[in-house]
Amino acid sequence: DQQVKQNSPSLSVQEGRISILNCDYTNSMFDYFLWYKKYPAEGPTFLISISSIKDKNEDGRFTVFLNKSAKHLSLHIVPSQPGDSAVYFCAASITFNSGGGADGLTFGKGTHLIIQP
Amino acid sequence: EAGVAQSPRYKIIEKRQSVAFWCNPISGHATLYWYQQILGQGPKLLIQFQNNGVVDDSQLPKDRFSAERLKGVDSTLKIQPAKLEDSAVYLCASSLVNLWYEKLFFGSGTQLSVL
Repeated sequence: DQQVKQNSPSLSVQEGRISILNCDYTNSMFDYFLWYKKYPAEGPTFLISISSIKDKNEDGRFTVFLNKSAKHLSLHIVPSQPGDSAVYFCAASITFNSGGGADGLTFGKGTHLIIQP
Repeated sequence: EAGVAQSPRYKIIEKRQSVAFWCNPISGHATLYWYQQILGQGPKLLIQFQNNGVVDDSQLPKDRFSAERLKGVDSTLKIQPAKLEDSAVYLCASSLVNLWYEKLFFGSGTQLSVL
C-alpha cells in the first residue's frame, strides 16, 4: 500500500519554462513533507520542505504547495534549468507530539524530470 | 564538511551468500538511517538508530537482515543469506538529531546485485 504516490514517472519540460511535479498521499497523519532530488549514482539531496501548518513554502526558484484537504502537494520550479534534470522524490513524515522527534521518511517512487534545451 | 560515507560502492554476490555494508555518518550526527531502494521505487526505511539505540526497525526483514551501531557512530548492515529480491541500492542517511525539521543527508549508496 503506497502511502506517498507520484503518478508521473517522467516529465519533460523546456528550459526556461515552469516544471510542476505532483505528489499525493493517503495517510492523514503525515504532517511534514519534503522534496529530494537525486542525480544518477548519487544519494538523494534535500531540496525543500513544508510543514502541514503552511500551504506554501518558497526557496529561490523552488516553491512547494500543500493542499491538505486534497492530500496533495506540488513542487514548482521556475524557470527550469538544464541542471534541474534529475529524479525528484516526494517524501512525508509523521512528527511526534512530544519531544519533536520524527519517524523515518516515506518516499514516493519518484519523477524523472528532463529539461530540454 | 565531509558527507555520509558508504562502502563498498558496488557488490555482486550469489544468492544464499552473505554481505555487509558499512556507513560512516556525518560527524556529530546522532540519528542514522538505512534505506533500501529497489530499481524504480523510492527509498524504503529499513532501520533507524538514535545514537546506538534502535528507534524503528519495523520494516527490517529480521530473519535475514541485521544492523548495528555499536559506538553510536559507524553502522553496518548485514544480509545473511541474500535472496534475489535483495538486489537494490542500500542508502545510509544521517541527521543531526531526531527532530522533525532536521533534514537527512544521504550517502551515495551501495549497489547490491544478487545473482
